[in-house]
Amino acid sequence: GQNIDQPTEMTATEGAIVQINCTYQTSGFNGLFWYQQHAGEAPTFLSYNVLDGLEEKGRFSSFLSRSKGYSYLLLKELQMKDSASYLCAVGDSNYQLIWGAGTKLIIKP
Amino acid sequence: IAGITQAPTSQILAAGRRMTLRCTQDMRHNAMYWYRQDLGLGLRLIHYSNTAGTTGKGEVPDGYSVSRANTDDFPLTLASAVPSQTSVYFCASSEKQDYNEQFFGPGTRLTVL
Repeated sequence: GQNIDQPTEMTATEGAIVQINCTYQTSGFNGLFWYQQHAGEAPTFLSYNVLDGLEEKGRFSSFLSRSKGYSYLLLKELQMKDSASYLCAVGDSNYQLIWGAGTKLIIKP
Repeated sequence: IAGITQAPTSQILAAGRRMTLRCTQDMRHNAMYWYRQDLGLGLRLIHYSNTAGTTGKGEVPDGYSVSRANTDDFPLTLASAVPSQTSVYFCASSEKQDYNEQFFGPGTRLTVL
């Protein structure tokens, strides 16, 4: 079967760094996505990895290891507005996205 | 309008009633999707359309139908609503099927009693 695993909830402190992990098992692989979803709102795109390695975009970075079926999202210099759920999704062999349940990130002052 | 709009924003519906959720995009994207999001679960694909005139079934299609008469509109119909269809429904679009970045509408919160 297809499966995406990520922690349910994480807590971090404003100004700190947090790493959100995602492991996956899917039929085929056509890229891994991270989305941010604030409570009561729609998901919005953060990052896309299709090759192994680190992609950096401002305070956010995303890493992929295809051989390990593993990715992480790294958030630096945390701000209160980063409190949200972070969704990991993998494109399968049919280019459909398989979604994890999301990691709720709580930022404390 | 810019992006994707959905209507209604929220709805309370009696079981057994028919309901159509509307979705319109103005980005001229070829592919469109309907998801449901339930607490503790990931987004689950209900139906999709890779281009106008074609539709396909996703992971949880039972009890739902869609049509894609043109590029912009992708309505989702519940023929006879049941309480298990209580959920938040998101419509999304992407430029094409194999370009996976998806853009989401604001969602419809549906309660079936």
